Amino acid sequence: GEDVEQSLFLSVREGDSSVINCTYTDSSSTYLYWYKQEPGAGLQLLTYIFSNMDMKQDQRLTVLLNKKDKHLSLRIADTQTGDSAIYFCAESNAGGTSYGKLTFGQGTILTVHP
Amino acid sequence: GAVVSQHPSRVICKSGTSVKIECRSLDFQATTMFWYRQFPKQSLMLMATSNEGSKATYEQGVEKDKFLINHASLTLSTLTVTSAHPEDSSFYICSARKGPYEQYFGPGTRLTVT
Repeated sequence: GEDVEQSLFLSVREGDSSVINCTYTDSSSTYLYWYKQEPGAGLQLLTYIFSNMDMKQDQRLTVLLNKKDKHLSLRIADTQTGDSAIYFCAESNAGGTSYGKLTFGQGTILTVHP
Repeated sequence: GAVVSQHPSRVICKSGTSVKIECRSLDFQATTMFWYRQFPKQSLMLMATSNEGSKATYEQGVEKDKFLINHASLTLSTLTVTSAHPEDSSFYICSARKGPYEQYFGPGTRLTVT
């Protein structure tokens, strides 16, 4: 079945860039997502990328996709203390009975130090 | 973006009683909604896919008679935890699919069974 892996922790200083990495196994993944979860809250959709793209930029966020290696990363430029949260990578397959179902990684806890 | 609400945000119930959780898409119609369960410091586990006007599709290992799902309209899905037990205590999160590839999450419901 599908599997999505992330490193569990990342600690950075305020103002530095953060890079959160994710690998997935399903070669038929069509869409890949990054979600942010703050304590006690639901998930906020940050950005997503189609599998036929290799990069997407949205303000401070840059997503890089290496489809050959099944590797996805999220770069946050000029990281702020408000960026401290859990970041989830997720993949979705657009086909058949799996349509719309998301498979999540374990989440990366990002801690930003002043 | 899009807004999904959940009600209640927190509920405490006695063992053996039933609890209903509502998930609403506030500014869009959703033919498909999803119900997830999240344990502390863990990722989200998909419980079931809720389709408007038809029966929900449950993931393997999820008891359909215990977790009743009703998707009565294009903006409302409900999850009823029947005969709740302490092991059902968890954070339950719903999401609603908007379009082919965007999925928006509610803020979650913290269920505590005493």
